[in-house]
Amino acid sequence: QKEVEQNSGPLSVPEGAIASLNCTYSDRGSQSFFWYRQYSGKSPELIMSIYSNGDKEDGRFTAQLNKASQYVSLLIRDSQPSDSATYLCAVIGTGGGNKLTFGTGTQLKVEL
Amino acid sequence: DAGVTQSPTHLIKTRGQQVTLRCSPKSGHDTVSWYQQALGQGPQFIFQYYEEEERQRGNFPDRFSGHQFPNYSSELNVNALLLGDSALYLCASSTINQPQHFGDGTRLSIL
Repeated sequence: QKEVEQNSGPLSVPEGAIASLNCTYSDRGSQSFFWYRQYSGKSPELIMSIYSNGDKEDGRFTAQLNKASQYVSLLIRDSQPSDSATYLCAVIGTGGGNKLTFGTGTQLKVEL
Repeated sequence: DAGVTQSPTHLIKTRGQQVTLRCSPKSGHDTVSWYQQALGQGPQFIFQYYEEEERQRGNFPDRFSGHQFPNYSSELNVNALLLGDSALYLCASSTINQPQHFGDGTRLSIL
């Protein structure tokens, strides 16, 4: 079992729709969760962090965390073509330090 | 406010050579982490430096070593390069209890 799992996609949504990206993790004691956006050929850019159960909203982005189900999600409202990128889920587990463990990423395509 | 800066941007080496990559953290950050990202994969943690010491290490061989300087900047050294070391090398900086921010990366190609 991979430590952090994401559907690789591509996930295609029409412009203006809600994009829903999902991530599961195996370390039950994990406390910190992040979503990074990575455009092709570029480096990851932090877009959301979440540390407690529930929803956290920032503009068009909402991160959702359910520690009991070991599940993190990212919702993007009013999707724009500029949102087309790979979205990486990252988790800090219980191994000490703040090492990020990443999933393989979900490719999102927002179509006109 | 300068973000995380990495140099060089691109590098081409041959098998068996050695390479040094450099990273300057974002202002106010004291912790530097290095990651390797192969094509189509998520970044893999190499190691992390804090107070000039390696604090945590991922599953990478001893050919990968690093250093942190008193000004918090850091170097990643890779010896005896293999074809499989071709990847994007990412540096991320942070401070206590804060998320990591990445530099633009160094793309290393091994011929």
